[in-house]
Amino acid sequence: KQEVTQIPAALSVPEGENLVLNCSFTDSAIYNLQWFRQDPGKGLTSLLLIQSSQREQTSGRLNASLDKSSGRSTLYIAASQPGDSATYLCAASPHNQGGKLIFGQGTELSVKP
Amino acid sequence: NAGVTQTPKFQVLKTGQSMTLQCAQDMNHEYMSWYRQDPGMGLRLIHYSVGAGITDQGEVPNGYNVSRSTTEDFPLRLLSAAPSQTSVYFCASSRPGSKTYEQYFGPGTRLTVT
Repeated sequence: KQEVTQIPAALSVPEGENLVLNCSFTDSAIYNLQWFRQDPGKGLTSLLLIQSSQREQTSGRLNASLDKSSGRSTLYIAASQPGDSATYLCAASPHNQGGKLIFGQGTELSVKP
Repeated sequence: NAGVTQTPKFQVLKTGQSMTLQCAQDMNHEYMSWYRQDPGMGLRLIHYSVGAGITDQGEVPNGYNVSRSTTEDFPLRLLSAAPSQTSVYFCASSRPGSKTYEQYFGPGTRLTVT
C-alpha cells in the first residue's frame, strides 16, 4: 500500500530564503506526483505535476524534482515571499490508477517579513 | 470556465440526518472523485468515478453513496450523518486523455455533524 510522508510538518523561514520541502513515498510504481498549495480555509491549487518518466518540472520560482528509485520528491521555492505562506501538499498516483491521489499530510510554511 | 464547483460551502447536520453534497465541473473531465480532509489524517479518497454510470469505492467509503448520471455532476450522499463525518469535503476532476491526470479541486464543503 502506497504511503506518502512529508517532513517537516511545519517550517518557518525569513523572507528571501531559498527552501526545500520534502516528500517521500513507499512504492516507486507511480503514475505521477503532484504538488498542491492550500491556503487556510480554501481548496487545493495545483502547482506542479511530474509524470513518472520525468525528473523535474519548473514554474516560475518553483521547481519540483522526482527520484522514483529513492522514493523522493522535493519542491524548491526560490527567494521566498510572505505570500508563499500556506500548506504544501504532495500526492502520488498509483501507476495503474492515474486518477487517484494518495496524499501526504502537508508542510505548513510560514515566511516571515 | 467555472472549473469545479461545490455546494453548499458550509453545512450543519444533526446525527441521523441525510444530505447531498453537490459537485459539478464544466471541463468535460471523465474522472471525478471525492476526498475528505481531517486534521492529522490528510486527504483520503471516499469514492471516484471514471465516467457516467461508473463508480467505485476509495479508501473510506462507509456511510457515503454516489452516482454519476452525467459527465458534469458527481453528488455525494450522506445516508445517516454521524459525528465522525464532520470534515471538509473536496471534489476533484481530471481527464485521462490528457495523459497527465492533473487533478483540479473544488473549494470544499465544510460539514459539521452534531
